[in-house]
Amino acid sequence: GENVEQHPSTLSVQEGDSAVIKCTYSDSASNYFPWYKQELGKRPQLIIDIRSNVGEKKDQRIAVTLNKTAKHFSLHITETQPEDSAVYFCAATPVGWSNTGKLIFGQGTTLQVKP
Amino acid sequence: ETGVTQSPTHLIKTRGQQVTLRCSSQSGHNTVSWYQQALGQGPQFIFQYYREEENGRGNFPPRFSGLQFPNYSSELNVNALELDDSALYLCASSRDENTEAFFGQGTRLTVV
Repeated sequence: GENVEQHPSTLSVQEGDSAVIKCTYSDSASNYFPWYKQELGKRPQLIIDIRSNVGEKKDQRIAVTLNKTAKHFSLHITETQPEDSAVYFCAATPVGWSNTGKLIFGQGTTLQVKP
Repeated sequence: ETGVTQSPTHLIKTRGQQVTLRCSSQSGHNTVSWYQQALGQGPQFIFQYYREEENGRGNFPPRFSGLQFPNYSSELNVNALELDDSALYLCASSRDENTEAFFGQGTRLTVV
């Protein structure tokens, strides 16, 4: 079945620096790749997503890149702020499904932004 | 427009018991997905309901079952609870299969 690997598991940066989180997926048929941010004790919130027909997408300080050949996608956060501190999850649609609600999640990355 | 709401927020059950968790989907959403999130892990897909029919299932045993009602709210039922069922249970709703999924705040289930 589909597998999503996420690295690193923890990431600590200084405020203002950039942060990059990488994910690889196993099924070349996957076509939807969202990123969720989960603050302690709160619900996961979608921060950005990308579909397989696009190589890059940006939303202010956040960007996602997708390399379908290599089967990996990355989250880039620029000019990090303390409120960016949270756990970030990548996800991908599993084998044979094209559905935004059926997702395989990575293990999560705990991002700490130091003031 | 109201968001996705889940009840209860916390629950303690004894091993072997049965539990029902509830999810009210966001207004206008007809698709509800359920996930189990163990401590320190990513959410794991349990199953999805689309217009009252089960629309795909993850790798969970049959003692995990669900329902979706005509108003598109949903229930997750777990029978014969095991200690390993202790987790945060999340539901997510979307307008249809191809639009963004919004998560509820979750139900924290503890099995003792």
